[in-house]
Amino acid sequence: DAKTTQPNSMESNEEEPVHLPCNHSTISGTDYIHWYRQLPSQGPEYVIHGLTSNVNNRMASLAIAEDRKSSTLILHRATLRDAAVYYCIGVRGAQKLVFGQGTRLTINP
Amino acid sequence: DSGVTQTPKHLITATGQRVTLRCSPRSGDLSVYWYQQSLDQGLQFLIQYYNGEERAKGNILERFSAQQFPDLHSELNLSSLELGDSALYFCASSVAVHTDTQYFGPGTRLTVL
Repeated sequence: DAKTTQPNSMESNEEEPVHLPCNHSTISGTDYIHWYRQLPSQGPEYVIHGLTSNVNNRMASLAIAEDRKSSTLILHRATLRDAAVYYCIGVRGAQKLVFGQGTRLTINP
Repeated sequence: DSGVTQTPKHLITATGQRVTLRCSPRSGDLSVYWYQQSLDQGLQFLIQYYNGEERAKGNILERFSAQQFPDLHSELNLSSLELGDSALYFCASSVAVHTDTQYFGPGTRLTVL
């Protein structure tokens, strides 16, 4: 599994975009980049995943660098409900998720 | 609501005891995973089952065991409990084995006194 590096914490304001970075320099060509988040007192929740090209869904966008050594999760308009720990995970085949420390995102009203 | 259910929500027990945590995956999901979340270790993968067969093992202690039944629900058995086993235990499910989204349940909070 690809090792990922994320900032410990980030802060943003409500209704502003948030860009959460992740470095995964050891990623292999077959590793998918998954993002999960964990809201307080809840189980992790899938956000988005991608392999090479940028991806969009109703929750967020994922921008993957051309060399695939980094990616950025984009929340287009943060709400208070988006305050959570965000995990960037490299997933290869066997599918177990190896969670790091993640980024604790604080949203200010 | 992820569609994954876990029971019980909370469990308080004493050292040396044995407990069973139960997980029902989303309808149609064949894979079940167990994770442990403690304050000092973070979220750690324990074990995975696919359609009744063990598929992958993580840092699961020998005192812990799991199984997946024909109806695809899964149980995690924890025995000879120690104070350090106090944690949140999450179950997740996915459709298949290869790269796919995992859906997590709400967790069972285990407190060992």
